[in-house]
Amino acid sequence: NAGVTQTPKFQVLKTGQSMTLQCAQDMNHEYMSWYRQDPGMGLRLIHYSVGAGITDQGEVPNGYNVSRSTTEDFPLRLLSAAPSQTSVYFCASSYSSTGGGYTFGSGTRLTVV
Amino acid sequence: KQEVTQIPAALSVPEGENLVLNCSFTDSAIYNLQWFRQDPGKGLTSLLLIQSSQREQTSGRLNASLDKSSGRSTLYIAASQPGDSATYLCAVRRGDNNDMRFGAGTRLTVKP
Repeated sequence: NAGVTQTPKFQVLKTGQSMTLQCAQDMNHEYMSWYRQDPGMGLRLIHYSVGAGITDQGEVPNGYNVSRSTTEDFPLRLLSAAPSQTSVYFCASSYSSTGGGYTFGSGTRLTVV
Repeated sequence: KQEVTQIPAALSVPEGENLVLNCSFTDSAIYNLQWFRQDPGKGLTSLLLIQSSQREQTSGRLNASLDKSSGRSTLYIAASQPGDSATYLCAVRRGDNNDMRFGAGTRLTVKP
């Protein structure tokens, strides 16, 4: 099915470990974003990309890296996991920079112990 | 800094009721506002997108309004159904980019 695919769905990390959350879309969308969702808070933007080779920081970028080598893929790297990064992570894509066709993945639930 | 607030945090209504969900934002200089639905353990689904020049958008039983000057948006759900039970989030976009600011959401329960 067309859409945004995130892997893994669940992950437990130890403090200090690094890992990459994968995100892939097959809709040829130029715009992709990573958000985190914490209890009682709205989604907060971590990083976003307006096309292959172009990325920018969002509201809470510290501790995360991204790259966009292809239109389809937008991985999120945790450099040195901390308990404060325990959250649910969502990847999203859209065909418009202004929100048209916004599609979310089903999320990755990350726990850092 | 744009702050987005949704009140109430939770709402429970009997089936068939009409209801209104509220979203307020502190900076009226927005590009557009979007309402999303989130089911438990799932991602978000876009419901309605209102451009800053528009006053409202409708889709089926859903109607979203926007009053930029007062920093408010409402999502009206007519004749609610148990299948409408979900968390509803609003998000405002500041400009022509992907930077959206979300509210914390309203968790809606529609009882049969």
